[in-house]
Amino acid sequence: KAGVTQTPRYLIKTRGQQVTLSCSPISGHRSVSWYQQTPGQGLQFLFEYFSETQRNKGNFPGRFSGRQFSNSRSEMNVSTLELGDSALYLCASSLVPEGGGYGYTFGSGTRLTVV
Amino acid sequence: AQKITQTQPGMFVQEKEAVTLDCTYDTSDQSYGLFWYKQPSSGEMIFLIYQGSYDEQNATEGRYSLNFQKARKSANLVISASQLGDSAMYFCAMRERDGSGNTGKLIFGQGTTLQVKP
Repeated sequence: KAGVTQTPRYLIKTRGQQVTLSCSPISGHRSVSWYQQTPGQGLQFLFEYFSETQRNKGNFPGRFSGRQFSNSRSEMNVSTLELGDSALYLCASSLVPEGGGYGYTFGSGTRLTVV
Repeated sequence: AQKITQTQPGMFVQEKEAVTLDCTYDTSDQSYGLFWYKQPSSGEMIFLIYQGSYDEQNATEGRYSLNFQKARKSANLVISASQLGDSAMYFCAMRERDGSGNTGKLIFGQGTTLQVKP
């Protein structure tokens, strides 16, 4: 059974550019959430999607946006990149938003470096 | 607001010994879920164990067990018989609730780096 797939694994962008990250959840999982991980701030919640609807959004500026498609795949977009956006972006999927005893399955992440 | 606190930034353990990673949480909810994840240097977050607030028994998964003390609001992870492959960052997390119930949002602690010595 394939896990959560995030592409690309590594990305280098220049300040001011925009970037799109992709997440393919485990087959059958309809809930996808995104997290940003930095050494200073730790793991911070970005968004949560279930059945193409955004259920929750974290405390991030409007430059961060996301969406979920009918096949449950999700993308997140960051526009006008800043140096502080350099981070590991992790995607997690679950059968249902509550996760429960099965937890949330994370992908390997996309490491974004903004120069 | 819900909060997770991990007070041990780094820990060492000898191979084959047991180790306890501390986690305390703060919530006013009666129903909540607690998770532990392992993050090796590769970056992937690996789910280890889950404890629901109404679960009467402490959760166990192989060499991992969760020492759940509800009154003290602690959910410590115990790893028995440590192996070199256990060297990683460990995160305690809580599922957030909002006005309409459970969300899919996890609140993470700052993590504990565990190093297993041969």
